[in-house]
Amino acid sequence: GEDVEQSLFLSVREGDSSVINCTYTDSSSTYLYWYKQEPGAGLQLLTYIFSNMDMKQDQRLTVLLNKKDKHLSLRIADTQTGDSAIYFCAESGAGNNRKLIWGLGTSLAVNP
Amino acid sequence: NAGVTQTPKFQVLKTGQSMTLQCAQDMNHEYMSWYRQDPGMGLRLIHYSVGAGITDQGEVPNGYNVSRSTTEDFPLRLLSAAPSQTSVYFCASSYLGGNYGYTFGSGTRLTVV
Repeated sequence: GEDVEQSLFLSVREGDSSVINCTYTDSSSTYLYWYKQEPGAGLQLLTYIFSNMDMKQDQRLTVLLNKKDKHLSLRIADTQTGDSAIYFCAESGAGNNRKLIWGLGTSLAVNP
Repeated sequence: NAGVTQTPKFQVLKTGQSMTLQCAQDMNHEYMSWYRQDPGMGLRLIHYSVGAGITDQGEVPNGYNVSRSTTEDFPLRLLSAAPSQTSVYFCASSYLGGNYGYTFGSGTRLTVV
């Protein structure tokens, strides 16, 4: 069935770049998403990429999509302590029923 | 623009009690859903709706009921609370078409003792 996998933890130093990786199984996904969850809060949509794109950049965020390997990554440049959060990868899955398939989330720790 | 509003933010229930978690959105989203989030389990879909009068089960529907009488509201009912339902519950909504991601509420932290 459809599945999304992410590594569970990532630790970086403040000012370095962070790269969070995600793999997915459904090749028919139309959109892939990155969400951020800060402690005690709901999930916030960070960015998304359409499946026919290879890259999308939005200020400090760069999303790379390798459709052949079904691999998605989120790069955060100049990582700050405020970027400490859980980052979820999600894919739109098949059909138009709006159900997203979620990864378990990557907990990013930014050390001063 | 309130987005998605969930109430209450915190709740403690005794085993066997029933309650309703409220979710309301003011964005005219057709799609609404309920998730539970547990440590190490990620987000699990409980129920969802693609419009008023239409609901369907997600992956963990047992013990929960939903209804969608209006576009704006999507309450989640716990019929007889059990300790296994201790969790953080999130409501999320979106448009049905296009690339719209979900808008999430801030969550309800439920403890069943």
